[in-house]
Amino acid sequence: NAGVMQNPRHLVRRRGQEARLRCSPMKGHSHVYWYRQLPEEGLKFMVYLQKENIIDESGMPKERFSAEFPKEGPSILRIQQVVRGDSAAYFCASSPQDSSEAFFGQGTRLTVV
Amino acid sequence: GENVEQHPSTLSVQEGDSAVIKCTYSDSASNYFPWYKQELGKGPQLIIDIRSNVGEKKDQRIAVTLNKTAKHFSLHITETQPEDSAVYFCAARSTDTGGFKTIFGAGTRLFVKA
Repeated sequence: NAGVMQNPRHLVRRRGQEARLRCSPMKGHSHVYWYRQLPEEGLKFMVYLQKENIIDESGMPKERFSAEFPKEGPSILRIQQVVRGDSAAYFCASSPQDSSEAFFGQGTRLTVV
Repeated sequence: GENVEQHPSTLSVQEGDSAVIKCTYSDSASNYFPWYKQELGKGPQLIIDIRSNVGEKKDQRIAVTLNKTAKHFSLHITETQPEDSAVYFCAARSTDTGGFKTIFGAGTRLFVKA
């Protein structure tokens, strides 16, 4: 059973471009969570999704950021018109149900130049 | 809002000594407290967790304690080894509301000197 798969592992974008981060949850997991980690800091909750539904997006910036978890395919975190402050590691986690522990992927390290 | 404070931010111990990391949380509805270990360039890995209906849990060299009244919980690592060197995060979450919003501490960077 493969773990949570995130790609790409590293992503470089110029200011103003779009960044798309993908997350494939563990097999059988229908809940996905995205976190952002700035250097030397803890993980900040961004959004919690179930298949085709956003359950809690209270940690998502109101502009430029969006997330989806379609019926088929991976969850996508999309950042439009990236700025230098978006540079961070973005981690995805999944769980089979919302009361269980979550398992994290290896993260995508976004660098905005 | 919800908050988890973690201390110390950096901890250096000699191999074989014990390490203790302490956290406090603010949301009284929190009832699940996981601990994660993050090695350089990797994602956080769950190492142990505790639920609010128990006060202590142990797994080999790792133990966690929880004081719900004081809203404190701690991670204890005994007989530390160099491979224990990593960043450790505590976290708190309420599983009652059906949501998932785990609040993480800022992390403790543990150095185990050989």
